[in-house]
Amino acid sequence: EVQVVESGGALVQPGGSLRLSCTTSGFTFDDYAMHWVRQAPGKGLEWLSLISWDGRSTFFADSIKGRFTISRDNTRNSLFLQMDSLTTGDTALYFCARETLRSSGFDYWGRGTLVTVSS
Amino acid sequence: QSALTQPAAVSGSLGQSITISCTGTSSDVGGYNYVSWYQQHPGKVPKLIIYDVNKRPSGVSHRFSGSKSGYTASLTISGLQSEDESDYYCSSFTSRTTYVFGSGTTVTVL
Repeated sequence: EVQVVESGGALVQPGGSLRLSCTTSGFTFDDYAMHWVRQAPGKGLEWLSLISWDGRSTFFADSIKGRFTISRDNTRNSLFLQMDSLTTGDTALYFCARETLRSSGFDYWGRGTLVTVSS
Repeated sequence: QSALTQPAAVSGSLGQSITISCTGTSSDVGGYNYVSWYQQHPGKVPKLIIYDVNKRPSGVSHRFSGSKSGYTASLTISGLQSEDESDYYCSSFTSRTTYVFGSGTTVTVL
């Protein structure tokens, strides 16, 4: 059974940093590209970042470019999101999602981890 | 990257068919057959219901279908059922090798 579990969310002050983790199981992690998506309270989904299966290619939404970094450790079947220079606008539920193999779409999602940026 | 444009709300009666539109540009929806759709019930995780414009993942009801014409993709729900009441989001791959979601549509079953 495919499992995707995010962790690391917390209350952090504006200007602070946080590192999210996503631990996976039930599939061959290094076969798949992985993504981060977030959802602010009461708002829609916002795509954030993509990392290729081997970690060599990364892409970011304009809203987080230069502040967030995505990485993965295929030996630990894990995905990470390093978030720096956080603002109140980054308050959201952060989801880790698996990209479907050889096609578009995100077929498995975690339950999300909540990041609250507030003083 | 601006969100793809979806109607805020669509409603229909039990058994009816409804269609949700998702409008983008030549750099996303119009440029690639990489549109997907997600169903998200309140407080729940998004669920993939359509990928690559018109393909259904295993286990998704045949009542859900997708299509695309020009810069607009569409999700049709046939034989509307009470459990279809939910939020729906489209998503597209873009020319910058990024993805973008739609603004979201709330479906109400009358």
